[in-house]
Amino acid sequence: GQQLNQSPQSMFIQEGEDVSMNCTSSSIFNTWLWYKQDPGEGPVLLIALYKAGELTSNGRLTAQFGITRKDSFLNISASIPSDVGIYFCAGHPNSGYALNFGKGTSLLVTP
Amino acid sequence: GAGVSQSPRYKVAKRGQDVALRCDPISGHVSLFWYQQALGQGPEFLTYFQNEAQLDKSGLPSDRFFAERPEGSVSTLKIQRTQQEDSAVYLCASSLAGTPTDTQYFGPGTRLTVL
Repeated sequence: GQQLNQSPQSMFIQEGEDVSMNCTSSSIFNTWLWYKQDPGEGPVLLIALYKAGELTSNGRLTAQFGITRKDSFLNISASIPSDVGIYFCAGHPNSGYALNFGKGTSLLVTP
Repeated sequence: GAGVSQSPRYKVAKRGQDVALRCDPISGHVSLFWYQQALGQGPEFLTYFQNEAQLDKSGLPSDRFFAERPEGSVSTLKIQRTQQEDSAVYLCASSLAGTPTDTQYFGPGTRLTVL
């Protein structure tokens, strides 16, 4: 599948700080999704974006679908220890049913 | 209600053995996906079923990998003559409808280790 470039690879922050991570692609995507994966579990959907320019919030999480349809970012405000985990961006390309995933951002939050 | 379940959760195989991994999707979900997640990587698509029809198997890495969903519910991913590079977590996901952008719900995965 098409490569999604996700950054940063890892983040180590203090509780209460804001976090930002992003994802880019060389190809256009029809949807952008952000998932969180805890150890030993499957990914859980956090936010789904369906239109270019769309800005969506889910509690302390905010994500945007880039105007070019080739990028997306996820912000987490006022981080808490349970935000620890690996965050993946994913997207649907123009054709097919497969989701393409980034390599993930590992987030560590210290109390 | 119950989510996607997978069994076994852990499987250790000797190189050359055949393995079968099971996925029970959410009841009533039309679509079923298999993904392979190597250590430190994101999931990679393997194959897609809509009911019992396998509509996309473009991600299967070799002809040693075979998936089926004969009655449109439970699915089995079979790997023949396992190799060390097959070691990974195999994730199953299901979605309610047959549209590409429908939300995919993931199971906990089966961790396969090939010695």
